[in-house]
Amino acid sequence: AQSVAQPEDQVNVAEGNPLTVKCTYSVSGNPYLFWYVQYPNRGLQFLLKYITGDNLVKGSYGFEAEFNKSQTSFHLKKPSALVSDSALYFCAVRDIMGDYGQNFVFGPGTRLSVLP
Amino acid sequence: ETGVTQSPTHLIKTRGQQVTLRCSSQSGHNTVSWYQQALGQGPQFIFQYYREEENGRGNFPPRFSGLQFPNYSSELNVNALELDDSALYLCASSMKTGSFSTDTQYFGPGTRLTVL
Repeated sequence: AQSVAQPEDQVNVAEGNPLTVKCTYSVSGNPYLFWYVQYPNRGLQFLLKYITGDNLVKGSYGFEAEFNKSQTSFHLKKPSALVSDSALYFCAVRDIMGDYGQNFVFGPGTRLSVLP
Repeated sequence: ETGVTQSPTHLIKTRGQQVTLRCSSQSGHNTVSWYQQALGQGPQFIFQYYREEENGRGNFPPRFSGLQFPNYSSELNVNALELDDSALYLCASSMKTGSFSTDTQYFGPGTRLTVL
């Protein structure tokens, strides 16, 4: 079964500093990986995805993620954190169902706090 | 913001009652997935609908059922509500273009269900 792990419940970073939110995965076959962000009382917003190609994926709001096959990791990064980046971040992997279906298996989430 | 809408925003029910949640998918999308997000956890996949048929199901009992309509909107029905059903219910829409297409899922704001 596909799964993702987010080893940190909470990440604190000072505004202007680089941030990293960690994700590791376990899949059979090729990994299709996603990052989503959730603000309080809101749904999930898509940030970026890795399907194939370059290991460094660029996404929305200045975020990027680095795919590392040997370490089975897909860490989310941003060069300079903003207070407004404070939110709950979810890593997800695509799982295949039957002939046509697919769903996302989400990690438990990492709460990012950017301190002014 | 995505074009996915959900109603109602909040709902309070008592144990044993039945509830119907609604979702309108983003324009052009033909697939709807439903997720349950308990407090402090990542979303858990309930089921997916494609072309008005259930296309895959997670580890949820049969009292969780759904529908997809010709305009691709969808309903989630939960019978015999239990206290543990209290959660944020998220709908996600996507465009399936072929077998195992790596389509991104776009989430609505969710419906907060409280079961007393």
